[in-house]
Amino acid sequence: KQEVTQIPAALSVPEGENLVLNCSFTDSAIYNLQWFRQDPGKGLTSLLLIQSSQREQTSGRLNASLDKSSGRSTLYIAASQPGDSATYLCAALGTASKLTFGTGTRLQVTL
Amino acid sequence: GAVVSQHPSRVICKSGTSVKIECRSLDFQATTMFWYRQFPKQSLMLMATSNEGSKATYEQGVEKDKFLINHASLTLSTLTVTSAHPEDSSFYICSASKPGTPMKETQYFGPGTRLLVL
Repeated sequence: KQEVTQIPAALSVPEGENLVLNCSFTDSAIYNLQWFRQDPGKGLTSLLLIQSSQREQTSGRLNASLDKSSGRSTLYIAASQPGDSATYLCAALGTASKLTFGTGTRLQVTL
Repeated sequence: GAVVSQHPSRVICKSGTSVKIECRSLDFQATTMFWYRQFPKQSLMLMATSNEGSKATYEQGVEKDKFLINHASLTLSTLTVTSAHPEDSSFYICSASKPGTPMKETQYFGPGTRLLVL
């Protein structure tokens, strides 16, 4: 059974800092790894999706990497802004199209 | 685009009543839809997978007689929480996937429905 863990559970940084969120998964037989953002009481916003054959994906200030063999993915956020404050979830797509979500990292970017 | 809507966005009901939540794919046909549940400060947990025209597949520990799923068309799936109790209070999120190979498959998520059972 796939298990996805995210570290840290919560993070507070001052505006402008670069930061890294970590995601690890136990079963490396995945089709892709996806990062989402969730604002309080809201649904999910897809940020980046990395196919199993890819090493990284970039979108604006966001960069996600994937090391399937070691069961790890990172989300790098450059020049953080208060608007980046949210919970970030990673999810691994495995067999039978099942998405297994991580425990989430609550990010707060302070002024 | 790939937009998924849910209705209602929020519902409050009395214990013992049934609540129906709708999930619609607005601009694409979804052969598969997924239902997730999220308790406060926890991650999303898959409840069931539904394919149009067939019975839903439930995850271990999810009562199929309590959480009725109907996927009657390629754009609509419904989740009915029967005889709801306070412990069913949660955030329910659906997603829909476009037909394609597993490697390129992406799930598009609805905005969620917050259920509060008094």
